[in-house]
Amino acid sequence: QVHLVESGGGVVQPGGSLRLSCAASGFTFSDYAMHWVRQAPGKGLEWVAFIRHGGSHQYYGDSVRGRFTISRDNLKNTLYLQMNSLRVEDTALYYCGKDAKTGQNSGWYVDYWGQGTLVTVSS
Amino acid sequence: DIQMTQSPSSLSASVGDRVTITCRASQSISNYLNWYQQKPGKAPKLLISAASSLQSGVPSSFSGSGSGTDFALTISNLQPEDFATYYCQQTYAPPVTFGPGTRVDI
Repeated sequence: QVHLVESGGGVVQPGGSLRLSCAASGFTFSDYAMHWVRQAPGKGLEWVAFIRHGGSHQYYGDSVRGRFTISRDNLKNTLYLQMNSLRVEDTALYYCGKDAKTGQNSGWYVDYWGQGTLVTVSS
Repeated sequence: DIQMTQSPSSLSASVGDRVTITCRASQSISNYLNWYQQKPGKAPKLLISAASSLQSGVPSSFSGSGSGTDFALTISNLQPEDFATYYCQQTYAPPVTFGPGTRVDI
């Protein structure tokens, strides 16, 4: 079955950097686009970033564009999120998610989610 | 960016009730609308895609409708396990955006 495990969260000072990872198993990772979605404590869901199955195209939410970079290693079945210039408002539980459709016909929505990794930005 | 709104923001209901949550997009999104359920401390779960397509394993008590700008999620015969927060999401154009959520509690 599909299994997504995020790691790399922690406490970081404003302006700092952090790299999140998401280890995927149970499906052909290279066939699916992937997402990062976050949720601030007690708040709703916010889509963060998307990467196509081959890694050729990436898209970002307005609040992270220019600071975060999504990437993937299809040989290691791993998704990444490099977060730079972190702000207090980036504090959230970060989920990775598998796109619901294969290949170029990405659905842009998530059918399987990890359990999340917590990022806290605080001085 | 396409803005999503949901109403109500919360509601109280009883087991056996029929509940309807509405979601509105700031512009037409055809049927590029999905619904998720999230329980406290858990990851979201996809319920419905393309406005009305029920995901495998989701009870038939859940149904979705709408197109263009106005959508609805209906839960008929509310069960104890249905008490959760529900989010709509548009995937018509990036950036993907979620609604603010509707909490359904007892």
